[in-house]
Amino acid sequence: DAMVIQNPRYQVTQFGKPVTLSCSQTLNHNVMYWYQQKSSQAPKLLFHYYDKDFNNEADTPDNFQSRRPNTSFCFLDIRSPGLGDAAMYLCATKQGAGETQYFGPGTRLLVL
Amino acid sequence: EDQVTQSPEALRLQEGESSSLNCSYTVSGLRGLFWYRQDPGKGPEFLFTLYSAGEEKEKERLKATLTKKESFLHITAPKPEDSATYLCAVQAPGGYNKLIFGAGTRLAVHP
Repeated sequence: DAMVIQNPRYQVTQFGKPVTLSCSQTLNHNVMYWYQQKSSQAPKLLFHYYDKDFNNEADTPDNFQSRRPNTSFCFLDIRSPGLGDAAMYLCATKQGAGETQYFGPGTRLLVL
Repeated sequence: EDQVTQSPEALRLQEGESSSLNCSYTVSGLRGLFWYRQDPGKGPEFLFTLYSAGEEKEKERLKATLTKKESFLHITAPKPEDSATYLCAVQAPGGYNKLIFGAGTRLAVHP
């Protein structure tokens, strides 16, 4: 089945130690999003790619970076994680002008 | 400012006890309102999209409706497996279909 896959599902890192989260999709969608969701809060958009064009939300910290080497894969890099970055990170995809975003299962990040 | 507010924050129902969840929104030009279901520790699962006031959509025990200021998710005769957080989101104007989410309603259905 076509789907959005996130790895790992759980990630534990140390304060200040860089970490990379991965998202892949078999839907061949051209738009990919990264959201941050803290406990009992709404998902918050960090950035998105429309094809290779990167779009950063104005309030996304510089500590968060992203790469999209090809259509199928997108990475979220957190350069120096702080305790406040502990959250669920959600990847979503959408096809062009289509309206619906499809989400992956998420990666739960814990910062010690 | 575009905003989505969901109520109640949490809802406890007995199996078979029908109820409704509310999603109020303010957005400059609604381009779509979305309902998602999110189980603990998982990503949101798409349920419905509504585009214009008066529109309704149904899926099993769920029915979503839309007015110019709010949307309702009606749950008829819920079962324990309907327990989840239900998220509402609106699509803001813009070229990349940014979604603005509410904080969700945590639904617990007890046997």
